[in-house]
Amino acid sequence: QLTQSPSSLSASVGDRVTITCRASQSISTSLHWYQQKPGKAPQLLIYGASSLRSGVPSRFSGSGSGTDFTLTISSLQPEDSATYYCQQSYTSWTFGQGTKVEIK
Amino acid sequence: QEQLAESGGGVVQPGRSLRLSCAASGFSFSYYAVHWVRQLPGEGLEWAALISSDGSRTHYADSVRGRFTISRDNSKNTLYLQMTNVRHEDTAFYYCARDNGTPQGGFDLWGQGAMVIVSS
Repeated sequence: QLTQSPSSLSASVGDRVTITCRASQSISTSLHWYQQKPGKAPQLLIYGASSLRSGVPSRFSGSGSGTDFTLTISSLQPEDSATYYCQQSYTSWTFGQGTKVEIK
Repeated sequence: QEQLAESGGGVVQPGRSLRLSCAASGFSFSYYAVHWVRQLPGEGLEWAALISSDGSRTHYADSVRGRFTISRDNSKNTLYLQMTNVRHEDTAFYYCARDNGTPQGGFDLWGQGAMVIVSS
């Protein structure tokens, strides 16, 4: 089971934003982050907890191992308004409940 | 360009069947395991099923096991999801997604989704 927090947040352009994902048991680094915009399919941002997918802006970063993980947006941009999901692939596959990021 | 494209969604009555398809293009489909992931309206993502690259191994979420069957035809570059005895709670957007191929890789390619509405 994955628990994301917060469930939603509102921040200003340029702010640093952090989303956390906690696993109920250790999942090593088998943790991935996705961005989903309304009406669109999810897109992979970060894989293996901290590897940035090619083409994803460098303002996105991931960290963590074991049970605690974070997704950080170093300088929030208008196009980052979306819902973000964590996912584990250590035991089967499960997603967190999502964090909706809005721009003030 | 690598793509996945779902089709076959629609309205289906409770207890009836429906088959979704997912056509792959732009990459070697037979090299990859693929998944079905669903999203209830306004809700989060739920993994539903996996099939290995050669089709020899499948795995299902408890919520669909025994009712849904995942399969593939590598000669047609197509993934399927046969849905039987559907329930109202199966109403969702259904995505096919490619597995990166390693436990550290995630789902690196998604289709645009197909909507399934279970309604009498």
